[in-house]
Amino acid sequence: QQQVKQSPQSLIVQKGGISIINCAYENTAFDYFPWYQQFPGKGPALLIAIRPDVSEKKEGRFTISFNKSAKQFSLHIMDSQPGDSATYFCAASIGGYALNFGKGTSLLVTP
Amino acid sequence: DARVTQTPRHKVTEMGQEVTMRCQPILGHNTVFWYRQTMMQGLELLAYFRNRAPLDDSGMPKDRFSAEMPDATLATLKIQPSEPRDSAVYFCASGSPAGGPYNEQFFGPGTRLTVL
Repeated sequence: QQQVKQSPQSLIVQKGGISIINCAYENTAFDYFPWYQQFPGKGPALLIAIRPDVSEKKEGRFTISFNKSAKQFSLHIMDSQPGDSATYFCAASIGGYALNFGKGTSLLVTP
Repeated sequence: DARVTQTPRHKVTEMGQEVTMRCQPILGHNTVFWYRQTMMQGLELLAYFRNRAPLDDSGMPKDRFSAEMPDATLATLKIQPSEPRDSAVYFCASGSPAGGPYNEQFFGPGTRLTVL
C-alpha cells in the first residue's frame, strides 16, 4: 500500500519555467517530509526537507510548500534548468527514520 | 570524500543462486537502510539498522532475504534462493546520529541485480 501518493508521473517544462510536483499522504503521524533527486545510474540524493511545524521552506530555486490540514506537500522548482532534469521523489517518515517514498516524477526541462 | 559504497555494482545470476550484496556506510554513521527500486513499485524499504541492531525488516521477504551488519563498516543483504522477481536495483543508505534522527540519508550507487 502506497503511503505517499505523488503526481504527476512525468513532467516537461521549458527552461526558465516553474516545475511543480505534488504529494499527498494519509498517516498523520508522519513528521518529516524530504524530497530526493535521482539522476540515471545514481542513488537518490536529498534535495530539501521540511517538518510539519512550518508551511514553507526555500533553498535557492527549490521550495517546499506544506499544507498540514490537507495532508499535502509540493516541490516547486523556479527558473527550471536542463540540469534539473531528473527523477524526483517525495517521501515521508515518522521520526526521520524509515522513508516511505512516492513513486517518483520524471522531470524533463527542455532548452 | 565520504560516501556510501556498494559492491557489486552489477550482478547477473540464475534463478536459485545465492546473491550477496555489500554496503560500506559512511564512517561514523550509525543507521543503515536497505531499499529496493523497481519500475513498478518504486523505492521500497526492506530493512534498517541502528547501531548494528535490526530495527525493522518488515519490508523483506523473510523466507529468502536476510540482512546483517557483521560490524560497523559492513552491511550485507543476502537472497537465497534468488528469483526473477528479485531483479531490481538495491540501494544502501546511511545516516548520522549527529543532531538527532531527522538527518539526511546518504544513498550509495546501488547494486543492479538481474536474476535470469
